[in-house]
Amino acid sequence: EAGVTQFPSHSVIEKGQTVTLRCDPISGHDNLYWYRRVMGKEIKFLLHFVKESKQDESGMPNNRFLAERTGGTYSTLKVQPAELEDSGVYFCASSHPGTGGVNEQFFGPGTRLTVL
Amino acid sequence: AQSVTQLDSHVSVSEGTPVLLRCNYSSSYSPSLFWYVQHPNKGLQLLLKYTSAATLVKGINGFEAEFKKSETSFHLTKPSAHMSDAAEYFCVVSRNSGYSTLTFGKGTMLLVSP
Repeated sequence: EAGVTQFPSHSVIEKGQTVTLRCDPISGHDNLYWYRRVMGKEIKFLLHFVKESKQDESGMPNNRFLAERTGGTYSTLKVQPAELEDSGVYFCASSHPGTGGVNEQFFGPGTRLTVL
Repeated sequence: AQSVTQLDSHVSVSEGTPVLLRCNYSSSYSPSLFWYVQHPNKGLQLLLKYTSAATLVKGINGFEAEFKKSETSFHLTKPSAHMSDAAEYFCVVSRNSGYSTLTFGKGTMLLVSP
């Protein structure tokens, strides 16, 4: 079974440009999460989808970030316009309902975003 | 509210010696606790989880952790380190119900020397 995949693995852009990150969850996983790790800091929650609906987006830093999950399959996270402080590693995770309430999330390898 | 403190940013051990990675948590409700590991250029992999059952939890690759409510700790141990254990380890807390989000510690880098 394929794990969570993320594309691209690395992205280097200039301040003011737009970048779109993609996450493909494990097939059949309704829950999809985005997290971010800024250098030197802990991994922090951004938002949570259940199927195509945003369940919790309390961690989104500002309105330059837009996440979508059309059709409840893959998800995209767009940053527009990118700022220097957006640099970091963006992780995606997915989980399946029916895990007895235990929130076991499966993570992708992350996308390393560098804004110059 | 919940939070996690990993007491060491780096831990260095020699191959074959015991490993201890320390974690303290704070949670206003019944927690689930996890340890994840990240090897270079890889995704986060679940090592083990505590979900209000047995307080001593065994995970993959010989790791185990003990939930101590009185000390609000969930330290990760392994009797004998292997070179392949060199990685970054994350202690994580979550609410023990539903699909709540994960709160991470800052990570501990484990260095293993021959």
